[in-house]
This record gives sequence, structure tokens and C-alpha cells, in this order.
Amino acid sequence: LAKTTQPISMDSYEGQEVNITCSHNNIATNDYITWYQQFPSQGPRFIIQGYKTKVTNEVASLFIPADRKSSTLSLPRVSLSDTAVYYCLVGDDTGFQKLVFGTGTRLLVSP
Amino acid sequence: DSGVTQTPKHLITATGQRVTLRCSPRSGDLSVYWYQQSLDQGLQFLIQYYNGEERAKGNILERFSAQQFPDLHSELNLSSLELGDSALYFCASSATRGGQANYGYTFGSGTRLTVV
Repeated sequence: LAKTTQPISMDSYEGQEVNITCSHNNIATNDYITWYQQFPSQGPRFIIQGYKTKVTNEVASLFIPADRKSSTLSLPRVSLSDTAVYYCLVGDDTGFQKLVFGTGTRLLVSP
Repeated sequence: DSGVTQTPKHLITATGQRVTLRCSPRSGDLSVYWYQQSLDQGLQFLIQYYNGEERAKGNILERFSAQQFPDLHSELNLSSLELGDSALYFCASSATRGGQANYGYTFGSGTRLTVV
């Protein structure tokens, strides 16, 4: 199973860049890496997805090293509204393990 | 609006009762997933359906059951409710069987179930 490990919590201040790393040592060849954001009492929201190297969209960047055993979600210049839980999910289109969310990383952004 | 519709948004019921939660997936999505999230807990996977058939099962209690209908909407039935069943129940959908490719899952806003 492609189990993931993330820090339980992180603190930051407004305007700073935040990097959250996820370890997935058992990632399989066909696995994608997907990050979700969840606010209290809301469903998780897709942030970004990647397979290798770097992916960037309007809200975040995802860095994946060549061995793909980890990935880093980068949030540039965070604001108070980025306070949320961030989940890293690894899996392909066939395996059960992809459906298991870990404990996530609770990010607290302070003024 | 994510495109995944869950009803009702809130539900209060007594112990021992039975309730049905409904989910309409995003247009074109064939897979539906159900998750349970208790207060300050992570997302617990319950069950997945793909195009009407059960695809994967998580730690779903025997008192719980689900189905996906021909129009692709899904219902989660919870019976003999206990206080510990109080939680947020999320439905998610994806275009593929697994949901990892093509931008993963799209979640609904959830149904908050309170058992008293």
C-alpha cells in the first residue's frame, strides 16, 4: 500500500511561503500524487495533481523528485484563508489504497 | 458549487432510527464514494460504486448499506443509529474508476448527521 506520511501540523504567518512535504516511499509506477484542502465542515477540495517533476497552477506548486518517494506542496504567500487541513493522496486508478486519506497536515496561518 | 449534490444538509434523528443520505454525482462522473468524518477526525472511507456496481469497501458497518442507481445517484442507508454515528458524511465522485487520474475526486458539501 502506498501509505503517506505528513506532518500533523504547521504554523505560518501571512505572506510567507509554506511547504508541506508528504512521504510515500512505496509509491507505484502508475500512481499519481494528489493534494486536497479541507476547511472545517466542508468537503475536501482538489488543489493540485502530479506524476513527476513540477506542476504549477494558480494556487500552488507541486514538486516531485526523480525517485517520487516524496512530494512537496508549496503555497506561495499564504493568507489567513489558507488555514485548513491539507491531505496528500497517492494512488492509481485500480488500487483500493488510493481511497484512504491520511491524517493530513493542519496549517494555521496567523496575522 | 462543486457539482456534487448531497441532501439533506443536516439531519437530526434519534437512536435506533434509520436514515437515507442522497448523493448526485457531478455530471458525467461514474464513480461515487462515501466517506464518514467524525468531529476532528480524518476521512474514513466507507464504500465506492462505479456505474452501478460496488467497487470497493472500507470500514463500513453492517448497519450501513449503499447503492448506486441507473441514473448514477447514490444513497447511503444508516440503520439502528447510535450516538457514535453522529458525523459528517461526504460523497465524492470521479470520472474514472479510481479517481486519481483526471484531477481526482470532487466532493460534495456533506450531510451533517446528529443522533440524539
